[in-house]
Amino acid sequence: QQQVKQSPQSLIVQKGGISIINCAYENTAFDYFPWYQQFPGKGPALLIAIRPDVSEKKEGRFTISFNKSAKQFSLHIMDSQPGDSATYFCAASPRDDKIIFGKGTRLHILP
Amino acid sequence: DAGITQSPRHKVTETGTPVTLRCHQTENHRYMYWYRQDPGHGLRLIHYSYGVKDTDKGEVSDGYSVSRSKTEDFLLTLESATSSQTSVYFCAISSGTENTGELFFGEGSRLTVL
Repeated sequence: QQQVKQSPQSLIVQKGGISIINCAYENTAFDYFPWYQQFPGKGPALLIAIRPDVSEKKEGRFTISFNKSAKQFSLHIMDSQPGDSATYFCAASPRDDKIIFGKGTRLHILP
Repeated sequence: DAGITQSPRHKVTETGTPVTLRCHQTENHRYMYWYRQDPGHGLRLIHYSYGVKDTDKGEVSDGYSVSRSKTEDFLLTLESATSSQTSVYFCAISSGTENTGELFFGEGSRLTVL
């Protein structure tokens, strides 16, 4: 019940395309859903986050879509660029408790 | 930049030797964490701390111990390193006063156990 399942494990997208990464969870106590971006040799960095009281949050080319009834959330990267090539982690946490990470998606944007 | 420094950044050691990794923060954050990252497993929590001398286990704590004698320093110790502990270790801090999901990570410490 504590897991966050992330898919796909790896993704290749053409420059200018839309990259979509999906995550699913079981624990209905989760109330915070961040996405982290990690470049090779670096630590993960918070990219964008959402709380379950909204269905979508957009920051530039990055959008989180949240479906509370299905217990799923996804990251969409519009107009994907080679500089977006990185590993992306979804995560979830209940209020005032430890964050649980998905296993990550390696995204490669073809130039 | 949350002012997190990990040391050493790279270390090669032999099976059975003790290893200590250090995480130093400059901004007096309450919560500090140690994660390990392995291919196919993502980020897994080893131990975390919610204050000086207050620590708790994560999901993969066996073989690891931690100490936090000062707010700014969180040490991870492998008492007797094994090859299965070859990994990249990340320290993180929570920017808030709660144990929330808003984490800031260090640059990582790559440990190889031969």
